[in-house]
Amino acid sequence: QKEVEQNSGPLSVPEGAIASLNCTYSDRGSQSFFWYRQYSGKSPELIMSIYSNGDKEDGRFTAQLNKASQYVSLLIRDSQPSDSATYLCAVNPYNFNKFYFGSGTKLNVKP
Amino acid sequence: GAVVSQHPSRVICKSGTSVKIECRSLDFQATTMFWYRQFPKKSLMLMATSNEGSKATYEQGVEKDKFLINHASLTLSTLTVTSAHPEDSSFYICSARDLRRYEQYFGPGTRLTVT
Repeated sequence: QKEVEQNSGPLSVPEGAIASLNCTYSDRGSQSFFWYRQYSGKSPELIMSIYSNGDKEDGRFTAQLNKASQYVSLLIRDSQPSDSATYLCAVNPYNFNKFYFGSGTKLNVKP
Repeated sequence: GAVVSQHPSRVICKSGTSVKIECRSLDFQATTMFWYRQFPKKSLMLMATSNEGSKATYEQGVEKDKFLINHASLTLSTLTVTSAHPEDSSFYICSARDLRRYEQYFGPGTRLTVT
């Protein structure tokens, strides 16, 4: 079982819709959770971090964490074609210097 | 804030030569830096974790004598690909962790082509 699982997609949504990206993790002791966006040919860029259960909003992005279900998600409201990228979920378990990345979900936002 | 630079951005070298890639945290101190490689349309693969002033910790299957990592200061880590071969051609990305925070920030990456 992989430490972090994501649906590889592609997830296609029309412009203006809400895109919902999901991630599950196996280590129940995980403490920190991150979403990165990676455009084709570029390096990952941090867009959200979340540490406690519930929702965290930043502009059009909302991260949701449910530690009991070992589930973290990212909602993108009013999706734009520029949001088309691969979204990586990363989890930091009890080991401060260990990160586990999912394989990423490719999002296509169609004009 | 939290800017990580990487140099060079692109390098082409001949088989058998060595290539050094620098990773710098520009506006924060990074006790830990990570080195990844990524093949086209594949996920990130962690190669090693380096802590300032100590030896790097390599992931299973990564040859430490081939991929030399030095983390000499709180803002600089280097990766040297020794005796490069065409199969070493890849996108190499470093990241740095701010010692005061949990997040890691990525450099822009180095595209290595070995001919």
